Parts: sequence; structure tokens; C-alpha cells
Amino acid sequence: AQSVAQPEDQVNVAEGNPLTVKCTYSVSGNPYLFWYVQYPNRGLQFLLKYITGDNLVKGSYGFEAEFNKSQTSFHLKKPSALVSDSALYFCAVRDRGSQAGTALIFGKGTTLSVSS
Amino acid sequence: ETGVTQTPRHLVMGMTNKKSLKCEQHLGHNAMYWYKQSAKKPLELMFVYNFKEQTENNSVPSRFSPECPNSSHLFLHLHTLQPEDSALYLCASSQVGNSMNTEAFFGQGTRLTVV
Repeated sequence: AQSVAQPEDQVNVAEGNPLTVKCTYSVSGNPYLFWYVQYPNRGLQFLLKYITGDNLVKGSYGFEAEFNKSQTSFHLKKPSALVSDSALYFCAVRDRGSQAGTALIFGKGTTLSVSS
Repeated sequence: ETGVTQTPRHLVMGMTNKKSLKCEQHLGHNAMYWYKQSAKKPLELMFVYNFKEQTENNSVPSRFSPECPNSSHLFLHLHTLQPEDSALYLCASSQVGNSMNTEAFFGQGTRLTVV
């Protein structure tokens, strides 16, 4: 079975400081990994993905994430947070060996709050 | 914005009503999904359609009935719902068989309130 854990319900950072939103996963094989962001009363927006290749993945709005196979983690990072980054962030996984079209499995989400 | 459009954006219905949620994707994808997002709970996968065929039903009550007439359209028919069914219902689509572009794209959601 596939699962995703986001251990923090909320992360608070000051504007200009680096931010990290944590994610660990569990799949039987190798993973495809994703981060999404959700603003109030909106759908989920795709931020970035790890498919293969470099462990450090760069995505939209200056976000990046690092795939760590030994720690089964895919933490989201940004060097300098903006107030406008305040939102709900979801990590998602799909087993690379799963049947094509298998849906993504999401974590419970982490609320990021950036203060000015 | 993302190529996946959901209507209506907001819906209030009584427990004896019948209503339908609509989703349309303009991305040429061949898989579509319904998710339920309730307050303080993880995103729950409800249904999966690949090439118009339902491939997954995650123990969803029969008062929710999906329909996928073609690869661009997905419906969720609702009848005799309960107040606990109030939630944000999200539709998503993705391209099956393309491992490099396997991410799902989401609609804006329908905020459903059952009274």
C-alpha cells in the first residue's frame, strides 16, 4: 500500500527566511513524488515532481524539493519565503510500478504561514 | 486556469434532492478522478476512470454515482445525501501511459453544502 506522511499540521516562518515543509512516503516500489499547493476555496495547483534523474527538483515560484531514497523523504524547500506563499501544501506519491492511471495518494496537508 | 473546469462552484442541496456535479477537461487526458476534501481530513480518492472505464471505487456510498460519457467529461450524481457529505469535491485529470507527465491537474472544486 502507498501512503504519505506530512508530520506538521502547520509551519510558521518569517518573510525572507528559508522554509521547509516535510514529507515522507511509503511505497512498495520506486516512487513518483509530487507537491501541490492550495489557496483558499481553490483547487490544487501542481508545483513540482520527481520522476527520475537529479534528486533536487526545481519547480514553480522558486520552490524546490529533494528526493532522499534512504530516508524516503521529499521535503519542499524555498530559500526565501514570501507572505504570498502562505497556503496549504500537499505532498503526493504514486508507485512507479503501479498500474497506469492509478491515482495519486495525498498527505493530509501542511498549512504554511509566512509572517511579514 | 488549469484546463479542468468544474461546475457549479457552489451548491446547496437538501437531503432529499438530486443534483449533479460536472467536470470537463481540455487537456487531452485519458484518466479522470473525483476526490473529496473535508475540513481537517486528508484528500479522499473517490473514483478513478481510465479511458472512460471505472477502475477504482474507494468504498464510496451508493448515494454518489459517477458517470464518464467520454474522456473529457466526468459527472458525479448526488442523491439523498447526508450533512456529513458537505465538502469540497475536486475533479482531476491526468495522462495515462506517459510516465514523464504523470501529474494530475485539478479543477477549482465544487463546494457542496447539504442541509
